[in-house]
Amino acid sequence: EVQLLESGGALVQPGGSLRLSCVASGFTFSTYAMSWVRQAPGKGLEWVSTFIGSGDTTYYADSVMGRFTISRDNSKNTLFLQMDSLKVEDTAIYYCAKEKGYAVPPYSFDNWGQGTLVTVSS
Amino acid sequence: DIQMTQSPSTLSASVGDRVSITCRASQSVSTWLAWYHQKPGKAPKLLISKASSLESGVPSRFSGSGSGTEFTLTISSLQPDDFATYYCQQYKTYSPGMFGQGTKVEIK
Repeated sequence: EVQLLESGGALVQPGGSLRLSCVASGFTFSTYAMSWVRQAPGKGLEWVSTFIGSGDTTYYADSVMGRFTISRDNSKNTLFLQMDSLKVEDTAIYYCAKEKGYAVPPYSFDNWGQGTLVTVSS
Repeated sequence: DIQMTQSPSTLSASVGDRVSITCRASQSVSTWLAWYHQKPGKAPKLLISKASSLESGVPSRFSGSGSGTEFTLTISSLQPDDFATYYCQQYKTYSPGMFGQGTKVEIK
């Protein structure tokens, strides 16, 4: 059974930093592209960033480019999101999501974590 | 960037009703289109990939159709468990607008 467990969400002041983690199990982590998707309170889903399974290819939404860094440790089956220069508008639940395929991303997201809440407020 | 637009934003229906949700892409995404539903406080769940391919375990009352820029999710007979918010997602390219804005299906 695929499991994704996020952690690291917290209350942080504008301009601050936070590092989210997502520990994966139940599948060959290194093979699949992994993404972060966020959802602001009462709003829809917004794709944030993706790290392709093999190599070092990453993608970012314009809204986080230059402030967020996605990384992964395949030896520990863990995906990370380093969030710097946080803004009030980054307040959201952050979901870790596994892509369904692995040949040529992107794919649909077939497994999601339960989410971790990031609140940016003074 | 490809933008996705869903309609309606809210849909009021009764148990047993046939309901449809439309998703339009700002440019062709072929059939690289997925549908999810999300219940309050829960993560989204994948229902359909490749525009019309039902995920394992998803009831057959759900169906998807379309290609290019226009897609439809249909629930043939709405059940109590189906009251949720539905999202479409294009996965032709990574872009901020990968997801539609959502359609809330509520009890009439």
